[in-house]
Amino acid sequence: GQSLEQPSEVTAVEGAIVQINCTYQTSGFYGLSWYQQHDGGAPTFLSYNALDGLEETGRFSSFLSRSDSYGYLLLQELQMKDSASYFCAVMDSNYQLIWGAGTKLIIKP
Amino acid sequence: KAGVTQTPRYLIKTRGQQVTLSCSPISGHRSVSWYQQTPGQGLQFLFEYFSETQRNKGNFPGRFSGRQFSNSRSEMNVSTLELGDSALYLCASSLDGRSHEQYFGPGTRLTVT
Repeated sequence: GQSLEQPSEVTAVEGAIVQINCTYQTSGFYGLSWYQQHDGGAPTFLSYNALDGLEETGRFSSFLSRSDSYGYLLLQELQMKDSASYFCAVMDSNYQLIWGAGTKLIIKP
Repeated sequence: KAGVTQTPRYLIKTRGQQVTLSCSPISGHRSVSWYQQTPGQGLQFLFEYFSETQRNKGNFPGRFSGRQFSNSRSEMNVSTLELGDSALYLCASSLDGRSHEQYFGPGTRLTVT
């Protein structure tokens, strides 16, 4: 079957750096995406990696290693507003997004 | 440009009833996908519509169905509701359904009692 594994919860301190990992097993691979969802809100797109390496968008970076079926989202200079759930998602051979269960990021002052 | 809208935002139904949810995508987007989200679970894919045709379907029973109209607006229907159908139903639109960047609506919170 298809699956994505990510930690259920991560805790960090304001101003620190946190990494959220994602490993995947899917039929086909057209890229790894990351979405952010605040409580009561809709998921919003953060980043996308199709090729190996690091993509940087402001305080957020995303990394992909296709040979390891692994990626991560790196959040720097954490702010309280970054408290949210973060989902990784892989587009499979049917162009369908397969989602991880999400990682709840708790930020402490 | 207006975002994705979903109606209604909240709904309470009784077991055995049926429900219809509506989604209006961003103007110009032709692909609409529907997801079910329950606490602690990721988004479970229901189906995707593109140009009025169901192009992809997830592993949900036949009680879950949908359609898309010529203006790209989409509806999903759940018949014979069960308690386990209580969830947040999200729709997402994209230009062609091949983009990793999907735009989500606020969702419809369905409670089945």
